[in-house]
Amino acid sequence: DIQMTQSPSSVSASVGDRVTITCRASQGISSWLAWYQQKPGKAPKVLIYAASSLQSGVPSRFSGSGSGTDFTLTISSLQPEDFATYYCQQANSWPITFGQGTRVEIK
Amino acid sequence: EVQLVESGGGLVQPGGSLRLSCAASGFTVSSNYMTWVRQGPGEGLEWVSVLYSGGTTKYADSVKGRFTISRDNSKNTLFLQMNSLRAEDTAVYYCALYHDSSGISPGAFDLWGRGTMVTVSS
Repeated sequence: DIQMTQSPSSVSASVGDRVTITCRASQGISSWLAWYQQKPGKAPKVLIYAASSLQSGVPSRFSGSGSGTDFTLTISSLQPEDFATYYCQQANSWPITFGQGTRVEIK
Repeated sequence: EVQLVESGGGLVQPGGSLRLSCAASGFTVSSNYMTWVRQGPGEGLEWVSVLYSGGTTKYADSVKGRFTISRDNSKNTLFLQMNSLRAEDTAVYYCALYHDSSGISPGAFDLWGRGTMVTVSS
C-alpha cells in the first residue's frame, strides 16, 4: 500500500497568513493526488484534484502543486472559514490512501 | 439535487452485523464508481470499499471477508453489509462518489453523504 505522510500535523496561523501543507507519498504517484478540507462534524470536501486542478466552486486562494512523491497545498491568504483539517489522498492505485491530516488552527 | 444520504448505522455488539444504505439522487449509482470511506472517532479517513460501474468490487484489507458492497439499481442505492463487527470498526461511514481517470474530477471523491455512525460495543 502507498503511505501518505503529511506535515505539519497542525499549524497555528492568523487570518491573512500564507499557509503551506506538504504531503509525501511512499512511492511515485505521478499527479494522482487530491486535497480535502474537513470541518468538525462535516463530510470532507474536495479542494484540489490531479495535484493542481482546482475543484469547481473552490476559492482561488487554494492551490496545489507537485508530482511524483512530493506535493503541496497552499492557502495564499487564510480566511476565517479556512480553519479546518486538511487531508491529502493518493489515487495512483488501490487501496486509495489518505494522509493523517493537518489541522489549521487560529493563532 | 445531486446528493447521497446514508442510513442504517447504530450500536451493535462485537460479532454482530449491520447493513448500511446510501440513497443517491440526481445521478445514477450504477454508472459510477461508488465507495465507502470511514472515519474513527478523532481519527483520519480510511477508504473501505469500492463498487465499479462494471461490477468489480475492492476492499481494504481490514474489512476483506467481513464486509460486502452492493447496489440496487432499481432503488439507485448503494449498500454495505458488515458482518463479524469489531470494536475497531467503530466509525462514521461515508458514502462517496469517486471519479476514475475519465471522470470530471479524476482520482477524487467529489460527492459525499453526511455519514452514518456505527458503534461496535458490548
